[in-house]
Amino acid sequence: GEQVEQLPSILRVQEGSSASINCSYEDSASNYFPWYKQEPGENPKLIIDIRSNMERKQIQELIVLLDKKAKRFSLHITDTQPGDSAMYFCAASHQGGSAKLIFGEGTKLTVSS
Amino acid sequence: ETAVFQTPNYHVTQVGNEVSFNCKQTLGHDTMYWYKQDSKKLLKIMFSYNNKQLIVNETVPRRFSPQSSDKAHLNLRIKSVEPEDSAVYLCASSLQGPQNTLYFGAGTRLSVL
Repeated sequence: GEQVEQLPSILRVQEGSSASINCSYEDSASNYFPWYKQEPGENPKLIIDIRSNMERKQIQELIVLLDKKAKRFSLHITDTQPGDSAMYFCAASHQGGSAKLIFGEGTKLTVSS
Repeated sequence: ETAVFQTPNYHVTQVGNEVSFNCKQTLGHDTMYWYKQDSKKLLKIMFSYNNKQLIVNETVPRRFSPQSSDKAHLNLRIKSVEPEDSAVYLCASSLQGPQNTLYFGAGTRLSVL
């Protein structure tokens, strides 16, 4: 299968706290896992990604973790700000000529001040 | 700065009509995509092209037909639209395949009355 499951679909946190989004994938050949952020009225934009040769990656307040054995990966936003409020999508793909990027169902994050 | 250009931004039409959407990227990328984003924000891959060649053709109704004149252009034609075609159609490009960052256009919002 190629499905990517993402939870939760809705996440509300207080400013300054952490937010975590979890994804799981079916295709064991998947080796690339990006995260996209889509603000209201805007198009999705890449914020961070991780490849299968890594277990953890951090860019400022964004941390991604990858557990290949469990076929799960997650995004953690530390010290959330109101500007982090948006839709977040995880995705997965594998190498190969017919590869495609499959997106999770999305998480609507709201950070309240 | 926008580098993936989509026209039109909006299109309202009636059931049974034909519509065409255009997409152009100025990033020099080899791969282009059409994604459909529905009212629940789900992002579904429809087609991908690599250097004018069709690579991915998901299970979409036959009334959808992509066209690529060169690697910088990817259009989408829908013959005889149906109400369930109402969505935002997002064009994207990447350097080479889905394991590189996808850059999305602003989208074309289609409303079928």
